[in-house]
Amino acid sequence: GAVVSQHPSWVICKSGTSVKIECRSLDFQATTMFWYRQFPKQSLMLMATSNEGSKATYEQGVEKDKFLINHASLTLSTLTVTSAHPEDSSFYICSARVVMGLANEQFFGPGTRLTVL
Amino acid sequence: QKEVEQNSGPLSVPEGAIASLNCTYSDRGSQSFFWYRQYSGKSPELIMSIYSNGDKEDGRFTAQLNKASQYVSLLIRDSQPSDSATYLCAARVGRDDKIIFGKGTRLHILP
Repeated sequence: GAVVSQHPSWVICKSGTSVKIECRSLDFQATTMFWYRQFPKQSLMLMATSNEGSKATYEQGVEKDKFLINHASLTLSTLTVTSAHPEDSSFYICSARVVMGLANEQFFGPGTRLTVL
Repeated sequence: QKEVEQNSGPLSVPEGAIASLNCTYSDRGSQSFFWYRQYSGKSPELIMSIYSNGDKEDGRFTAQLNKASQYVSLLIRDSQPSDSATYLCAARVGRDDKIIFGKGTRLHILP
């Protein structure tokens, strides 16, 4: 499958600081990327859809001013968690959409574990 | 509200047996379905995608789709201890390519 990378793989920060997470498609161009969040023993929850060159579409209940998404190129999307608080501690995972013929699939990055102290 | 439902398990299966995982979905308009495997602390890995009614086989995995019953399943033949993981069923909904996930079924293969 297609390769998606994320950086950093884990980060610990103090409450009130901002954290940027990068998501890259390594061997393909991704016009659409998705950001998910997963709390322990819970399923993946879609936060937002990131489209290259346009504003992200946020899911209901996700604060767009707190979770800033930038998809400036066909291989890079970033998620910035602004003024992070302990309740933002979670596993953040991006995915990229790959369309090949009739197949339309999503491949996930390895995830970023954020811990806010 | 569009949902994907799965039994959370755990489902325990002896090594070498067939593991059967099931999923139902609420959106009749969904056309694309996926099974992902997720190991603890890792991100999901796509195992199978299925778009048409019937069976789709890939190695030891067989996905089955029944759109009339809004039912998707995954069979794992010759189960191995390395198959122990959480299996997430997912469906694409709406026109904007969003994929929604079930809560996952924990599978435990007994050596």
